[in-house]
Amino acid sequence: SAVISQKPSRDICQRGTSLTIQCQVDSQVTMMFWYRQQPGQSLTLIATANQGSEATYESGFVIDKFPISRPNLTFSTLTVSNMSPEDSSIYLCSVWTGFGYTFGSGTRLTVV
Amino acid sequence: RKEVEQDPGPFNVPEGATVAFNCTYSNSASQSFFWYRQDCRKEPKLLMSVYSSGNEDGRFTAQLNRASQYISLLIRDSKLSDSATYLCVASFGNEKLTFGTGTRLTIIP
Repeated sequence: SAVISQKPSRDICQRGTSLTIQCQVDSQVTMMFWYRQQPGQSLTLIATANQGSEATYESGFVIDKFPISRPNLTFSTLTVSNMSPEDSSIYLCSVWTGFGYTFGSGTRLTVV
Repeated sequence: RKEVEQDPGPFNVPEGATVAFNCTYSNSASQSFFWYRQDCRKEPKLLMSVYSSGNEDGRFTAQLNRASQYISLLIRDSKLSDSATYLCVASFGNEKLTFGTGTRLTIIP
């Protein structure tokens, strides 16, 4: 199955700043998915990133807050913009491998 | 009503016991189902896919009942290493995953 390298693994950021999270996959994939997991909760899909087109955002998530790039079939970034403490969460990328979905190791974000 | 519902637990089960989790989903158009395992501070990892015919992988058995829209996971001869949160997942096609809130399992020595 695919191997995903996600970074940074964790960060502590000041409110009002932005953080860009990167995911690199060891094989080409059509779609990459970005999730958020808030403390003590399950995963919520933020958006689906397709190469060559704009990302598709789920209800409650907007491009201005979570801009996504997908420059090629192995790489994507998610930016958390103008952060507030409510953005403190774990952010994960995911890809379909043909057998199931594989996740990156996650980025633990704390906004102070 | 949540799209995927699970009993959050926690389930505290003695080592060697059998434990079963159930999960219900509301979208009858859901096509694929999975059980994921998530250890503390780690990413979810695929435990097994769930097929209509039921499937077994060692000590783990998964069942899907489309008529009643529920999925189950059975763990036999539980080990200490089975302690984790188990996430029930439904998807429509190979796209959006909908996660349950997870069931926390602790195996007691």
